[in-house]
Amino acid sequence: EAGVTQSPTHLIKTRGQQATLRCSPISGHTSVYWYQQALGLGLQFLLWYDEGEERNRGNFPPRFSGRQFPNYSSELNVNALELEDSALYLCAGRPKDIRGNEQFFGPGTRLTVL
Amino acid sequence: DAKTTQPPSMDCAEGRAANLPCNHSTISGNEYVYWYRQIHSQGPQYIIHGLKNNETNEMASLIITEDRKSSTLILPHATLRDTAVYYCIVSSRGNDYKLSFGAGTTVTVRA
Repeated sequence: EAGVTQSPTHLIKTRGQQATLRCSPISGHTSVYWYQQALGLGLQFLLWYDEGEERNRGNFPPRFSGRQFPNYSSELNVNALELEDSALYLCAGRPKDIRGNEQFFGPGTRLTVL
Repeated sequence: DAKTTQPPSMDCAEGRAANLPCNHSTISGNEYVYWYRQIHSQGPQYIIHGLKNNETNEMASLIITEDRKSSTLILPHATLRDTAVYYCIVSSRGNDYKLSFGAGTTVTVRA
């Protein structure tokens, strides 16, 4: 069974540009979560998608957005990049209809904003 | 807004058991205790979770006190590959299952 995949592995952008990050959860996992891990700040919840809909978002500005496709893969878009957006962006999938919260994480995309 | 308290770091000898404590004194009745770990520069890895009973799987054991205000993750025979940051998290359906990661405990296993 393939694990969670994220692309690209690394992404370098300059201030003001837009970044698009992609995530494919494990087959059968219908929820996708995005987290940001900036240096010294720990993992912060960004967005939650389930069945194609945005269900919840963390304390991030609207320039962080995304979507979930019919095949449950997801895309995170960051507009008007700022230097402090440099971080490791992690996505995680969760199976549908489970009692618990076992989230399966991908390896992350390292975004560097210059 | 993490609702757990963990020691910032601990060392463990290879081959010995590692006991990682976590306090969650404000845990509510429908919240589970989850443990994840993050090996350097990788995505977090689910370890184990429990509600009120002790749990064991191939990776670890989870001991939850009767009042549920604290728990201990036990790695029975620590190896060098277990060196990681370990996160204790409380989560429930009520908060959309999002995971609120704190600072975790940096565990260093030494040969």
